[in-house]
Amino acid sequence: GENVEQHPSTLSVQEGDSAVIKCTYSDSASNYFPWYKQELGKRPQLIIDIRSNVGEKKDQRIAVTLNKTAKHFSLHITETQPEDSAVYFCAATPNNAGNMLTFGGGTRLMVKP
Amino acid sequence: GAGVSQSPRYKVAKRGQDVALRCDPISGHVSLFWYQQALGQGPEFLTYFQNEAQLDKSGLPSDRFFAERPEGSVSTLKIQRTQQEDSAVYLCASSLHRGPRETQYFGPGTRLLVL
Repeated sequence: GENVEQHPSTLSVQEGDSAVIKCTYSDSASNYFPWYKQELGKRPQLIIDIRSNVGEKKDQRIAVTLNKTAKHFSLHITETQPEDSAVYFCAATPNNAGNMLTFGGGTRLMVKP
Repeated sequence: GAGVSQSPRYKVAKRGQDVALRCDPISGHVSLFWYQQALGQGPEFLTYFQNEAQLDKSGLPSDRFFAERPEGSVSTLKIQRTQQEDSAVYLCASSLHRGPRETQYFGPGTRLLVL
């Protein structure tokens, strides 16, 4: 089955700096890669996703890049703000393995004001 | 509109008790998923429904876990004879269609503590 590795597990940045979180996946059949933000005690919320037919997608301060050859994808947050502090999860889903998501272990992002 | 809701939000059970966790997906959503999230970890897949059909239950950790969605809307995850290792947050998610690249919307979860 699919295996998703996520790094780093914790990330501390100064407000206004950029943050980058990286994920690798094992199943070359995976073709959908969402990113979720989870605040303490809250539900995971989708912040951005990318499908395998594109290499990059941007939404305001958030961008995701995908390298299918290397089987890795990354989340980029620019101009970080204290409210960006949360745990971020990457996930992948193969087209031929049902619809479930396989999640990475999460990255705790702390933005210091 | 209303999102995915789950009840109860918190459940404390004594070891050996049976528990039932409820999920109300977004109205009209075809697909429904259950995930288990241990403390400090990412969610792990348990089972998947398309309407009332349970198409994948490969993630259920033992035969003490059972899920149903009899009318294709509300779903219940039942855990029999709970064990301490069952302590986790149980997340439900739904998606509008059945495709593999559909956005999954999560509920707030049920935090289960087995003493």
